[in-house]
Amino acid sequence: EAGVTQSPTHLIKTRGQQATLRCSPISGHTSVYWYQQALGLGLQFLLWYDEGEERNRGNFPPRFSGRQFPNYSSELNVNALELEDSALYLCASSFVGYYEQYFGPGTRLTVT
Amino acid sequence: AQTVTQSQPEMSVQEAETVTLSCTYDTSESDYYLFWYKQPPSRQMILVIRQEAYKQQNATENRFSVNFQKAAKSFSLKISDSQLGDAAMYFCAIWTGNQFYFGTGTSLTVIP
Repeated sequence: EAGVTQSPTHLIKTRGQQATLRCSPISGHTSVYWYQQALGLGLQFLLWYDEGEERNRGNFPPRFSGRQFPNYSSELNVNALELEDSALYLCASSFVGYYEQYFGPGTRLTVT
Repeated sequence: AQTVTQSQPEMSVQEAETVTLSCTYDTSESDYYLFWYKQPPSRQMILVIRQEAYKQQNATENRFSVNFQKAAKSFSLKISDSQLGDAAMYFCAIWTGNQFYFGTGTSLTVIP
């Protein structure tokens, strides 16, 4: 069974640009979660999507947004990039709202 | 609001010895789940063990066990017979029904 996949592995952007990160959940999982892992800060919850709807949102500004497609894959968009957005972005999937989440390998975003 | 605190940024253990990683949490929820996740240098987060708050019995998973003290809001992880492959960042987390809250992690080094 394929695990959660994320692309790209690494992404380098300039301040002010937009970044798009992608995630494909495990087959059968309808929920996708996004987390930001900045150095020394652990994982911070960003967004939760299920059945195409945003179910919950962490304490992040509106320039962090995303969507979930009919095939349950998801995209995270970060607009007007700032230097402090540099982090590892992790995606996880689960059955709807279920606590057992499976994580992808992450996308390393570097903003210069 | 929920908080998770891991007061040991770094720990080390001799191979084959036992090590305990500390975690305290705070929540006003009565129903929650506690987790330990492992993140090796490869970055993929792996579930190590989970504990349902309503269960008094401490969870055990092979060489990994927890000491769950609900009144003290403490949830420590004990790794017995430590192996080189246990070297990783360990995160404590709480799930309250709609999102995870993670601690800042403990970096575990295993000394041969």
